Amino acid sequence: AQSVTQLDSQVPVFEEAPVELRCNYSSSVSVYLFWYVQYPNQGLQLLLKYLSGSTLVKGINGFEAEFNKSQTSFHLRKPSVHISDTAEYFCAVSDGGGSNYKLTFGKGTLLTVNP
Amino acid sequence: ETGVTQSPTHLIKTRGQQVTLRCSSQSGHNTVSWYQQALGQGPQFIFQYYREEENGRGNFPPRFSGLQFPNYSSELNVNALELDDSALYLCASSFVPRGTDTQYFGPGTRLTVL
Repeated sequence: AQSVTQLDSQVPVFEEAPVELRCNYSSSVSVYLFWYVQYPNQGLQLLLKYLSGSTLVKGINGFEAEFNKSQTSFHLRKPSVHISDTAEYFCAVSDGGGSNYKLTFGKGTLLTVNP
Repeated sequence: ETGVTQSPTHLIKTRGQQVTLRCSSQSGHNTVSWYQQALGQGPQFIFQYYREEENGRGNFPPRFSGLQFPNYSSELNVNALELDDSALYLCASSFVPRGTDTQYFGPGTRLTVL
């Protein structure tokens, strides 16, 4: 069984500061990893994904994440945040097996960017 | 290219009633997955439909059921509603087999059970 742990439920930062949102996963098979963002009263928007290849993945809105297999981590980073980045961020894992692409999500990290 | 759409956006029901939620998949996608997101939690997988058949199910009771139609749109039905069914219900579409595992989500239906 897969599981995802997002180590921080809330992360407050000031505008233009760097931020890292932490994600650890547990899986017995090879995984695909995702970060989604959810703005208030909206659905989920894909930020970035790791399927294979380079362990550093770049996404939309200046976000990037690094896949670390030995530490089973997939932390999300942004060098300089904006007020508009305030949202809930979810890390998710899929085992990519067969045609059943179930996503297992963490509980989310609320990023609050203050002026 | 049209994205994933869901209807209705909001719904209020009373305990014991039945509800049907609808989802239209993104153009070119053939697989639909449904998730339940309780307040303050991450989404939880309910089930997935591929080629009009259920293709995987999460830890949800049989009163949660679904359909997928030939145009790949889908319905989620919940019978005998309970207070704990109050949540945001998210639909996601993807294309199988392509191996990218990327699911694209709709805006969700907010269900309130009183």
